[in-house]
Amino acid sequence: NAGVTQTPKFRVLKTGQSMTLLCAQDMNHEYMYWYRQDPGMGLRLIHYSVGEGTTAKGEVPDGYNVSRLKKQNFLLGLESAAPSQTSVYFCASSYGATGQQYFGPGTRLTVT
Amino acid sequence: GESVGLHLPTLSVQEGDNSIINCAYSNSASDYFIWYKQESGKGPQFIIDIRSNMDKRQGQRVTVLLNKTVKHLSLQIAATQPGDSAVYFCAENPYSGAGSYQLTFGKGTKLSVIP
Repeated sequence: NAGVTQTPKFRVLKTGQSMTLLCAQDMNHEYMYWYRQDPGMGLRLIHYSVGEGTTAKGEVPDGYNVSRLKKQNFLLGLESAAPSQTSVYFCASSYGATGQQYFGPGTRLTVT
Repeated sequence: GESVGLHLPTLSVQEGDNSIINCAYSNSASDYFIWYKQESGKGPQFIIDIRSNMDKRQGQRVTVLLNKTVKHLSLQIAATQPGDSAVYFCAENPYSGAGSYQLTFGKGTKLSVIP
């Protein structure tokens, strides 16, 4: 049981490039989330999903897109990366709408 | 502004002493609260949670206290160990009536344990 995994662990992009971050969970959770974490700040919700085929915007969705084609996977896309998107990205999943969220190890993204 | 905040950004504690980390919240509709521990370079790890119908909950070496009157949450760690050194986040989950999917996180308190 791997829990929540994220790929890649590190990535450096140039401004304007695109990339996709992959999150996978093997706990059969319905809910999945993408957060970003910046220095001195807590986690801020980018997008979330309440089930396969559904997505919704969180607190800071601009510049990101997501897809949940399979229940176990939640993809975060950056179509045209900007330096302001330099951050550590965490994926999480949960069984229900309230309750513990399980986090992945994070992806450190630098946009130059 | 921040709906969840912490009184102290850093806390230094002697090994073996008890630690208390405080958190204020502003949304009186919040019905679920959770504490996470984040070690350097890792994802947040669940410590303990509490629902609004409780005022205290205990785990292994940790206790969470909830004071709804003053909208205050605290995490107590007994006999603090070097492995407890980390950043601690509180988060709240306001009940929207239609189902709530978002945890709102505070900025975190860094706990340093002095050997």
